[in-house]
Amino acid sequence: TQLLEQSPQFLSIQEGENLTVYCNSSSVFSSLQWYRQEPGEGPVLLVTVVTGGEVKKLKRLTFQFGDARKDSSLHITAAQPGDTGLYLCAGRLRAGSYQLTFGKGTKLSVIP
Amino acid sequence: NAGVTQTPKFQVLKTGQSMTLQCAQDMNHEYMSWYRQDPGMGLRLIHYSVGAGITDQGEVPNGYNVSRSTTEDFPLRLLSAAPSQTSVYFCASRAANYGYTFGSGTRLTVV
Repeated sequence: TQLLEQSPQFLSIQEGENLTVYCNSSSVFSSLQWYRQEPGEGPVLLVTVVTGGEVKKLKRLTFQFGDARKDSSLHITAAQPGDTGLYLCAGRLRAGSYQLTFGKGTKLSVIP
Repeated sequence: NAGVTQTPKFQVLKTGQSMTLQCAQDMNHEYMSWYRQDPGMGLRLIHYSVGAGITDQGEVPNGYNVSRSTTEDFPLRLLSAAPSQTSVYFCASRAANYGYTFGSGTRLTVV
């Protein structure tokens, strides 16, 4: 059983469109992170959310942590080809724990 | 540039051969870990270390050994390679803001 479920698995959109990807779990996380991975590279940290209901913005990317700290979403406004990549969410079950549990990711393609 | 360095970038092994994947970080991070990434399976934790001299198993440790003699280095050893170990391997270290810094990966093929 996958602890963190990401949806959709694949998403192909036109440049300029908006999109939202989701990360859901039945478990409560002390914090949750989003990473972007480009082909041939390792994941790169985008954001960490810690407080239930927290919203963080990174240019055209908006991240939200659910009130119950069981889910998160990533919204991209006016997607650009440079946003193409694999988006991974990762959760920490216990505060102070070193380990992260990763979802399987959403593969996003933005077509020019 | 500061970060996590993995070598080699690519490797082909024959079944039964052994090898060591190297990982080094220059950020003085205490925590380091090894993941494998397979299509449809996501990132799975192999082994991790919370400091020099301390290692522990992750989700999929069988067939792999690690050691941590220094803060900087965390090598992953494949004892007797099997086709099931064909994967992309990532080393990561923990940043102060609780985010991981990943290396660029080693693509391993076992034939």
